[in-house]
Amino acid sequence: QKEVEQNSGPLSVPEGAIASLNCTYSDRGSQSFFWYRQYSGKSPELIMSIYSNGDKEDGRFTAQLNKASQYVSLLIRDSQPSDSATYLCAVIVATDSWGKFQFGAGTQVVVTP
Amino acid sequence: EPEVTQTPSHQVTQMGQEVILRCVPISNHLYFYWYRQILGQKVEFLVSFYNNEISEKSEIFDDQFSVERPDGSNFTLKIRSTKLEDSAMYFCASSGDRASYNEQFFGPGTRLTVL
Repeated sequence: QKEVEQNSGPLSVPEGAIASLNCTYSDRGSQSFFWYRQYSGKSPELIMSIYSNGDKEDGRFTAQLNKASQYVSLLIRDSQPSDSATYLCAVIVATDSWGKFQFGAGTQVVVTP
Repeated sequence: EPEVTQTPSHQVTQMGQEVILRCVPISNHLYFYWYRQILGQKVEFLVSFYNNEISEKSEIFDDQFSVERPDGSNFTLKIRSTKLEDSAMYFCASSGDRASYNEQFFGPGTRLTVL
């Protein structure tokens, strides 16, 4: 069974600080990685995708990918109370045909004023 | 901004009844998906659909489930004989052309309650 693992949290972060979220995956053949944000009772909302090793920045978010170590991380700079949500790591795992999204269970982030 | 829409937002049904969940993907997207999320659990892949056929399905997507694109805009998930354990939030998602087909955009979900 190909797995995507995240710490469930909650991760408590003071307002203005950096939140650091980690995700590990077991399928060494995975090439595509995504971070989604999910507010309670709502649907996942795409934050960013990353496909190459290294860092990718988008506003206050930075995704980091290390395929050799099979982890992907997300940094949230200048955390705001509105960032309080569950952050889902998603990986496309290889199959015999198209491949499919596999989600981690999510890390709950709580930003405290 | 284009978005995925889903109807109904909440469906209550009796065990053994058939339900159809409806989705309108983003208009120029070619790849369509269904996921479910049981309360408090992770988002689980059900099925992907491209060019009017299923391209991938999970172990959850058994003979009780089917998908259809009955016209140029709707994408439906049918559960033939609902069970209590089918109670969950069902999300439809779509993605665009081949270059960016991986980035999936989710609809607001349909909460299915089976009594």
